[in-house]
Amino acid sequence: SQKIEQNSEALNIQEGKTATLTCNYTNYSPAYLQWYRQDPGRGPVFLLLIRENEKEKRKERLKVTFDTTLKQSLFHITASQPADSATYLCALDRAGGGNKLTFGTGTQLKVEL
Amino acid sequence: DGGITQSPKYLFRKEGQNVTLSCEQNLNHDAMYWYRQDPGQGLRLIYYSQIVNDFQKGDIAEGYSVSREKKESFPLTVTSAQKNPTAFYLCASTLTFPNTGELFFGEGSRLTVL
Repeated sequence: SQKIEQNSEALNIQEGKTATLTCNYTNYSPAYLQWYRQDPGRGPVFLLLIRENEKEKRKERLKVTFDTTLKQSLFHITASQPADSATYLCALDRAGGGNKLTFGTGTQLKVEL
Repeated sequence: DGGITQSPKYLFRKEGQNVTLSCEQNLNHDAMYWYRQDPGQGLRLIYYSQIVNDFQKGDIAEGYSVSREKKESFPLTVTSAQKNPTAFYLCASTLTFPNTGELFFGEGSRLTVL
């Protein structure tokens, strides 16, 4: 079955630095991969989607890469701010359609002053 | 403002009771989903519906039931058969055409079994 691995340990970085979060997957070749942000006690919010034929996608301070050979996606936040502190979830589509997604457990990011 | 509304935000239940979680969307989305989130685990799919009057089981449907009588509404019932119902429940929706792939989530309902 599909497996997604995200760093379970929290990532602490200083304000202004670039945060890099990793999402690795096995046993599947997804058509696309998504990243969501989740704040404590709230629902996830969609950030970016990258398709299998795209190497990189950018949106403001966010950048996502997708390496289908390594089966890995990297999520970067440049010039990080304390307001970026949250849990970031990686999700990939599953076979069978219906927009069913498999989610990773998420990585908690803490941006310190 | 368009969005997904889940209610109640917090719910306490005694063992042996059924409870129903509400999910309403005004985004005109065709597809709706219910996920469960537990600490240290990814979101797990309970049920999903791509069209009115039709729904499919997800990965952990046992002990749950749903209905989709209206496009806007997808309520989830947690039955007494669910062995470990304490969790954070998330409802989501998406367009099926054009398929942009992104899910829109509600704010969640936290169920605690006493």
